[in-house]
Amino acid sequence: DIQMTQSPSSLSASVGDRVTITCRASQSISSYLNWYQQKPGKAPKLLIYAASSLQSGVPSRFSGSGSGTDFTLTISSLQPEDFATYYCQQSYSTPVAFGQGTKLEIK
Amino acid sequence: QVQLVQSGAEVKKPGASVKVSCKASGYTFTGYYMHWVRQAPGQGLEWMGWINPNSGGTNYAQKFQGWVTMTRDTSISTAYMELSRLRSDDTAVYYCARDNGTVGEMDVWGKGTTVTVSS
Repeated sequence: DIQMTQSPSSLSASVGDRVTITCRASQSISSYLNWYQQKPGKAPKLLIYAASSLQSGVPSRFSGSGSGTDFTLTISSLQPEDFATYYCQQSYSTPVAFGQGTKLEIK
Repeated sequence: QVQLVQSGAEVKKPGASVKVSCKASGYTFTGYYMHWVRQAPGQGLEWMGWINPNSGGTNYAQKFQGWVTMTRDTSISTAYMELSRLRSDDTAVYYCARDNGTVGEMDVWGKGTTVTVSS
């Protein structure tokens, strides 16, 4: 089974900051990597699919990169509504696996 | 608009079963796989499996094999997830999520169904 490891587990940042979250797969997953945002009490929301493709309706300050085993999610200028938990997910093979999450908090 | 509407919260006793429904609208139900994902209180996302609504074929995470059953009723565009022999650590929010089919991304999610297992 493929394991997904995110870092950091939590992060404090300020509005306007540039933030990067990293996700590492235990083996190569090509570009089968997706990113989700989840706010408390809400369902996850798809942000990025196929490592770098922006989901329709998602602001352009979100971007993704990487392939193989190492991936990043970048938020170019944090907005108040971006404080949430972010998960990566590999869809290269079953079982599908999520990272443990990165909680982004206001500094 | 594309949406998934899940059934309401459930409270069950240990050893019982629960069946959660997920009604799809706004798209061709049989054209997209459906995943089930759960989230225990304060924890991360855990994939349970998927169902192909067209064929009824399923793929369960090994942890849930023999314990979970995913079915569908194409006449009403509804997917179901039944979990048996419930334990207290099955207390969680259960989500259905549509697989868009590009690279297996889950692009539409239900709002979740809270299942509480308590004696």
